[in-house]
Amino acid sequence: SAVISQKPSRDICQRGTSLTIQCQVDSQVTMMFWYRQQPGQSLTLIATANQGSEATYESGFVIDKFPISRPNLTFSTLTVSNMSPEDSSIYLCSVSQGMNTEAFFGQGTRLTVV
Amino acid sequence: AQKVTQAQTEISVVEKEDVTLDCVYETRDTTYYLFWYKQPPSGELVFLIRRNSFDEQNEISGRYSWNFQKSTSSFNFTITASQVVDSAVYFCALGAPYGGSQGNLIFGKGTKLSVKP
Repeated sequence: SAVISQKPSRDICQRGTSLTIQCQVDSQVTMMFWYRQQPGQSLTLIATANQGSEATYESGFVIDKFPISRPNLTFSTLTVSNMSPEDSSIYLCSVSQGMNTEAFFGQGTRLTVV
Repeated sequence: AQKVTQAQTEISVVEKEDVTLDCVYETRDTTYYLFWYKQPPSGELVFLIRRNSFDEQNEISGRYSWNFQKSTSSFNFTITASQVVDSAVYFCALGAPYGGSQGNLIFGKGTKLSVKP
């Protein structure tokens, strides 16, 4: 299994500002993903964080709004830029070594934009 | 298109009752994986089970059991003798090794289970 440390665990931010969320894994992993869970909703994939190259974004999510870094096989960041109240969600980091293994999740970052 | 449907939005039971959470999926892939996760009020996602599309055997783990039926595209989850600590949102998810996105999952909307003492 993988132990994932996600920071911050929660934050309250002013609209128009940006927040960077960090995801640290205790072992090297192939795949890292960022999900968003809006209040009372399911999880939606934002992007796949690729080591050494640009992230791959899902439909409806763009790099200017959610820039992602993945400098190595154990760390990634997601930035939520120019925040609005609609960005209030839980953001979760997930890691996997491929589909034949479990996908593990961080404890999430609960973001409130005021 | 890939899709996961959890038709039950909320379920409320009394402790010690058995409860089944339904999950129906859609996929055109012949190889795929199904998952169940538990999300307690604290917010973290707890992995419960992974099942691949070639293994239709039912599985039991303590009070938890899973019934996978490819013929009906269902992967239902039963909790026997429910306990208050089982109260959480349960998500069913589908994963498929397509493109370069192996490992990302498509989630159902979740079923909120409340177990009352």
